[in-house]
Amino acid sequence: ETGVTQTPRHLVMGMTNKKSLKCEQHLGHNAMYWYKQSAKKPLELMFVYNFKEQTENNSVPSRFSPECPNSSHLFLHLHTLQPEDSALYLCASSLHTGTGGGEQYFGPGTRLTVT
Amino acid sequence: DQQVKQNSPSLSVQEGRISILNCDYTNSMFDYFLWYKKYPAEGPTFLISISSIKDKNEDGRFTVFLNKSAKHLSLHIVPSQPGDSAVYFCAASAEGANSKLTFGKGITLSVRP
Repeated sequence: ETGVTQTPRHLVMGMTNKKSLKCEQHLGHNAMYWYKQSAKKPLELMFVYNFKEQTENNSVPSRFSPECPNSSHLFLHLHTLQPEDSALYLCASSLHTGTGGGEQYFGPGTRLTVT
Repeated sequence: DQQVKQNSPSLSVQEGRISILNCDYTNSMFDYFLWYKKYPAEGPTFLISISSIKDKNEDGRFTVFLNKSAKHLSLHIVPSQPGDSAVYFCAASAEGANSKLTFGKGITLSVRP
């Protein structure tokens, strides 16, 4: 049990659908992250939030919209996705994003398939 | 261009032997390095890390070695156990950017009983 949960674990959606991924951490951390892992590729950082403020947007297309209502919850809203967006989406958290902020703890991921 | 490279996609070792997983990086600004382990259907879990001020860090059966001049690090697992079979990711970050981890593609380790 890593203390970071993600729902749903699997999601199949059409290109015209709107869906949301949810992440929750029970570790008392203040930083949360979204990563994308495509087949045969390294994990790619998408977004970073520190104390609810977005501090990093790694040139992610606007069809991905993050939301961080508090330090424990992170959402990724999806709309008009493309088949190439099919991937494993991982959420992570850490104490904070600065030096000494500690290691990142990952959730189990959401396996997304866009048809 | 990949800044963290794990050139061997897989490694198979006999139980009880040493596993050596290699990682190379190109960005000279990286000063903190981590290894994560991932089982199927689970997220990556932190294994061990090393700061650039050190060249070795040991934690039980796991030791990470850093060669800054060669921009190379390696993870040694001794003795290897079947439960170590997983995908191992090398990651790196630059000072003041602990939030921005750059990952390698991962190495699949199989430990044969």
